Formats: sequence, C-alpha cells, structure tokens
Amino acid sequence: GAGVSQSPSNKVTEKGKDVELRCDPISGHTALYWYRQSLGQGLEFLIYFQGNSAPDKSGLPSDRFSAERTGGSVSTLTIQRTQQEDSAVYLCASSMLDTQYFGPGTRLTVL
Amino acid sequence: AQSVTQLDSQVPVFEEAPVELRCNYSSSVSVYLFWYVQYPNQGLQLLLKYLSGSTLVKGINGFEAEFNKSQTSFHLRKPSVHISDTAEYFCAVMPLSGNTGKLIFGQGTTLQVKP
Repeated sequence: GAGVSQSPSNKVTEKGKDVELRCDPISGHTALYWYRQSLGQGLEFLIYFQGNSAPDKSGLPSDRFSAERTGGSVSTLTIQRTQQEDSAVYLCASSMLDTQYFGPGTRLTVL
Repeated sequence: AQSVTQLDSQVPVFEEAPVELRCNYSSSVSVYLFWYVQYPNQGLQLLLKYLSGSTLVKGINGFEAEFNKSQTSFHLRKPSVHISDTAEYFCAVMPLSGNTGKLIFGQGTTLQVKP
C-alpha cells in the first residue's frame, strides 16, 4: 500500500518568507509526528498529533512554527518568517501502534 | 529525561565482514528500542524493534540486535555486510511515560562498506 508522502520534496525560500510543508500519512493511522533533521542537531521531535489534536507540541523550537491536522489525515507544518537556522530536512511519520513509518522528507533551504 | 548515545559516528568495514553498531541509552522510565536505517535522500526505514520478551531481536536484511538492560545497551549486528548496507543507522528510544510515542534518536552512525 501507499506509504507516507510529503510535499514538496525540496523547498528553497528567502529569509523572512513563510513556508508550508505537507504530510499525507498512511490511511487509517491515527498518530502523526513531525521531526527535524539537521547537521548540528540530529533528529529532533517537533510535534505529535492524535487525530486532529496535538497533545505534545514540546519540540516546536519557537512560536514561528505551527502545525495543524485536518480530518484526522493530512498535516501541514508552517514556518513563519523563516530564518537560516530553519534549514533542515523535515520528516513526517505516522503510526497505528508502536511503529512509526516515515516519509521521504522535505529539504528546506533558507537563503 | 532520556538520551541516546551512538558511540561511533562512522564505521568503515569491508564487504562480507561482520559489523556491530553500538547504542547506549539513558532513561528514568521504561522504553521501547528501535533501529532505523536511512539511505541517501530517503526517509527512515525500520530495521527492528524491542518491545518486550526475548532480548535478541531479528530484523530485516539480516540485522539483529540484543537488548541488555543492565548495560542499557541495544547494539546492532550483522554477520556479513554487503555494499548495499552502506547507509546511516539511527538508534532510538520511545519512553513509555507520557503516552505520546515520540522517538528520541541518537546522532547516527554512518556505515561505509568497502569492496
């Protein structure tokens, strides 16, 4: 079956612009996660959704970062007023029980 | 709080040789343990996981790992590697408190298999 998909695969933006990253989880998976992978920080948890609710947002690095999930399915991660330190690969994962299945990621480059 | 330490950032090895990638963790609560592999420009793929039961777990592509509670380790092994095993490997823990299921990752180990 179809896995987790993310779009765009690559995004280049200018400092100060807003960006939206999209995640389509595996159908029926109620849990959805966003992680960030960067050279300096490794893989970091950002936010967890159960259905449309986000009970754990503890990893969001600043109030410029927000995320939502609609219909218990698609999720969007929004970064406002992007900074160069936001450059990273943003990974989305979905799960039903204890195993997370990852998408291919969105590589964000902030110039 | 939890932390994961992968003791080697890079492991070079010749094809058909055995390999061990080391992982230690620290946690005040019980955890599940995972190994993921990341091939270039791809997402993470689950290799294996330890939830409970037998401490020796077998995964895909001939990999296995052993959970050692007293050493708080979860080392990954393969008896004979192939060129295609060249990738980055991540050890991760899932704390069982808080009920969020989030993963905490180590810094990764790059396995370089040479012909």
